[in-house]
Amino acid sequence: AQSVTQLGSHVSVSEGALVLLRCNYSSSVPPYLFWYVQYPNQGLQLLLKYTTGATLVKGINGFEAEFKKSETSFHLTKPSAHMSDAAEYFCAVSDPGNTPLVFGKGTRLSVIA
Amino acid sequence: DVKVTQSSRYLVKRTGEKVFLECVQDMDHENMFWYRQDPGLGLRLIYFSYDVKMKEKGDIPEGYSVSREKKERFSLILESASTNQTSMYLCASTPGGGPSGNTIYFGEGSWLTVV
Repeated sequence: AQSVTQLGSHVSVSEGALVLLRCNYSSSVPPYLFWYVQYPNQGLQLLLKYTTGATLVKGINGFEAEFKKSETSFHLTKPSAHMSDAAEYFCAVSDPGNTPLVFGKGTRLSVIA
Repeated sequence: DVKVTQSSRYLVKRTGEKVFLECVQDMDHENMFWYRQDPGLGLRLIYFSYDVKMKEKGDIPEGYSVSREKKERFSLILESASTNQTSMYLCASTPGGGPSGNTIYFGEGSWLTVV
């Protein structure tokens, strides 16, 4: 069965600092990988996804993630944090088949002025 | 833009009540999902549906049922609400015969409190 592990339930960074949110997955086949963001009292919004092709994926709001098969990782990064990035971030995985997304437990990002 | 609409954002219900959470999507998506979100537990799949009148159990179906009579509407039913069902409920939809690679679109969520 697939599983997703997000390291760190809460990450705090200074404004302008690098953002790194970690995600590792377990899957028996090369999966499809997603990062979603949730702002307070809202639903989830897609940041970026990896399906096939280039392993470095660029998303909205300056975020990007790299699929590393050898490390079974899909870490999310942003070079310079902004106050508006404060939110909860979810990594998710699905197998190439008719299976629903499996989500990690989420990482809450705080940005300090 | 895809729109997934959850009719109730905030509900307060009493223990033992029957509760209906309604979800409608406007993009002719085949697949619809109900997730439950709790702090520290992330999103957990309750039920999903890949077609009208079709339903499949997710990871935590106990205490819930669903109905999909029309393609655009997917309802979550709590037959007899209990306090441990106090949570945020998220409906989602995605096109195609399966979710692989397809973006899943979420509603704004329904906050349910059972007292």
